[in-house]
Amino acid sequence: GQQVMQIPQYQHVQEGEDFTTYCNSSTTLSNIQWYKQRPGGHPVFLIQLVKSGEVKKQKRLTFQFGEAKKNSSLHITATQTTDVGTYFCAGSANFNKFYFGSGTKLNVKP
Amino acid sequence: NAGVTQTPKFQVLKTGQSMTLQCAQDMNHEYMSWYRQDPGMGLRLIHYSVGAGITDQGEVPNGYNVSRSTTEDFPLRLLSAAPSQTSVYFCASSKTGGSTDTQYFGPGTRLTVL
Repeated sequence: GQQVMQIPQYQHVQEGEDFTTYCNSSTTLSNIQWYKQRPGGHPVFLIQLVKSGEVKKQKRLTFQFGEAKKNSSLHITATQTTDVGTYFCAGSANFNKFYFGSGTKLNVKP
Repeated sequence: NAGVTQTPKFQVLKTGQSMTLQCAQDMNHEYMSWYRQDPGMGLRLIHYSVGAGITDQGEVPNGYNVSRSTTEDFPLRLLSAAPSQTSVYFCASSKTGGSTDTQYFGPGTRLTVL
């Protein structure tokens, strides 16, 4: 079955350092979405990537979709304590079904 | 709009008990789904529905039943709870279920089965 692998599982950074999480799919995806979940909260949609090689930016966050549409990354520049949480990718190859990565838990030390 | 609501927020069950987790949305979304979240495993799709009267299985459907009698509600039933079903359950909805739709998640139900 389809799988989406996400690394690393945990990342501890000092405030101001950069952070990157990676997702890899076993199959070609039609699109990929990124979500953020604060501790004790629920996943909240961040962004969606659809096109091969697509790059999108949201302030300090940069999202990339690989040329083969099998991998994606989220990069945060100069982390802040408000970035703390777990970041999930969710890939879709079939209409109606999303497969979530296991998430990367980011801890930012002030 | 209240968005996606879930009840209860917390629940403790004994093995073999049954219960229903409630989920409702007021955004007139056609697509609704249930996920479970376990440590280190992300979110796994249990069941989903593309509209009233239509349901289908996700990744991990065993032990769970669903029905969709109205657009607004999508309850998840555990017929005979097992400790392996201890998890956090999230309901989500989106406009059509298309792969480009944003999913909106409810606050979750934290279930413990003893």
